[in-house]
Amino acid sequence: DTGVSQDPRHKITKRGQNVTFRCDPISEHNRLYWYRQTLGQGPEFLTYFQNEAQLEKSRLLSDRFSAERPKGSFSTLEIQRTEQGDSAMYLCASSPQITGELFFGEGSRLTVL
Amino acid sequence: QQPVQSPQAVILREGEDAVINCSSSKALYSVHWYRQKHGEAPVFLMILLKGGEQKGHEKISASFNEKKQQSSLYLTASQLSYSGTYFCGTELGTGNQFYFGTGTSLTVIP
Repeated sequence: DTGVSQDPRHKITKRGQNVTFRCDPISEHNRLYWYRQTLGQGPEFLTYFQNEAQLEKSRLLSDRFSAERPKGSFSTLEIQRTEQGDSAMYLCASSPQITGELFFGEGSRLTVL
Repeated sequence: QQPVQSPQAVILREGEDAVINCSSSKALYSVHWYRQKHGEAPVFLMILLKGGEQKGHEKISASFNEKKQQSSLYLTASQLSYSGTYFCGTELGTGNQFYFGTGTSLTVIP
């Protein structure tokens, strides 16, 4: 399977704990995006990488969120000191430089109790 | 900077047509359209680059009016499989972040 994969698919945690999500993009894709989606809403932009460089980060994110993409391959999204408002589906998408089409993973659903 | 879509929701009978609009407050480089079914990730439908082109395949097409910073998605002779939430996505330039619209829920009934 050469699609975008995300891990874990589901995560239940207690408020105050840290969580980390991993995204493995399609191998030849330079761009990698993280989005957050809550029920009934559109995907909300979090951050964006071009290869290993993090080019943009949403101002909506607090300092509790951090993302990395070492060596321009897989990416991780870490949320520190989780809050109940962080409960959402976290979507990763990758895109080749030329066409711009976004290919999404299945998402990682976070529930903060 | 989130594009605004209209209508928010629409219910169609099989075979009817629908138009979904996407409007941005900023000049756009490209507009994408995606469909998301419940519990699934968004799936790409088409991309339009500035130049006012219209694209489509089979019974789904779209237009992009860069002067008005608007795009419209046209679904003709709708099928049950068209049900889902449709999102436009906008890019202000190459290498810029990508924003999704507010979404339009489309339900096709027999």
